[in-house]
Amino acid sequence: DTAVSQTPKYLVTQMGNDKSIKCEQNLGHDTMYWYKQDSKKFLKIMFSYNNKELIINETVPNRFSPKSPDKAHLNLHINSLELGDSAVYFCASSHPVGMETQYFGPGTRLLVL
Amino acid sequence: DAKTTQPTSMDCAEGRAANLPCNHSTISGNEYVYWYRQIHSQGPQYIIHGLKNNETNEMASLIITEDRKSSTLILPHATLRDTAVYYCIVRGNTGTASKLTFGTGTRLQVTL
Repeated sequence: DTAVSQTPKYLVTQMGNDKSIKCEQNLGHDTMYWYKQDSKKFLKIMFSYNNKELIINETVPNRFSPKSPDKAHLNLHINSLELGDSAVYFCASSHPVGMETQYFGPGTRLLVL
Repeated sequence: DAKTTQPTSMDCAEGRAANLPCNHSTISGNEYVYWYRQIHSQGPQYIIHGLKNNETNEMASLIITEDRKSSTLILPHATLRDTAVYYCIVRGNTGTASKLTFGTGTRLQVTL
């Protein structure tokens, strides 16, 4: 069974479109994260939610809006996609204690044309 | 979180031990050293972490110097499947969640 899953795995879209990436974890974790890995392979945190509450927001443009319908899901909606949004987006989850291991999903490869 | 410095790349022969160094000279007393790796096209994978004592698990060993300013990740018998980028991360406890700040890591190439 996949611990942290993401859909879709690949996403190719035009500039200006709105798209969503979904993440689900079956580990019973309370905390979930979104990370972005750009073309230079730098991996940076974007958001973190704990029990559906936003707790980390790392200066991400307002076009990015995370939504957590329940603690097992953290979706990422992106409005008005730009070329620079092309990247691999990773979802992760952990227990909320603060020092717990983060488990990552397989990534969603977004290409904006 | 303290900054880390790692070599850009390393090679290791299959079956030999891979020793990956990391400098974290500005680490503070309550910060842990974490190691993750990222195999090509996959999500990062947790390996091991420690505070000041040496740690060992089924994947690797972590040796932390007494002054905690550097550490070494040891893969005792490297295989081709260990080829990956290895990230050394220093991380403090910020409450309910703690972000991982990834650097550039060390690209380990295991060869026959």
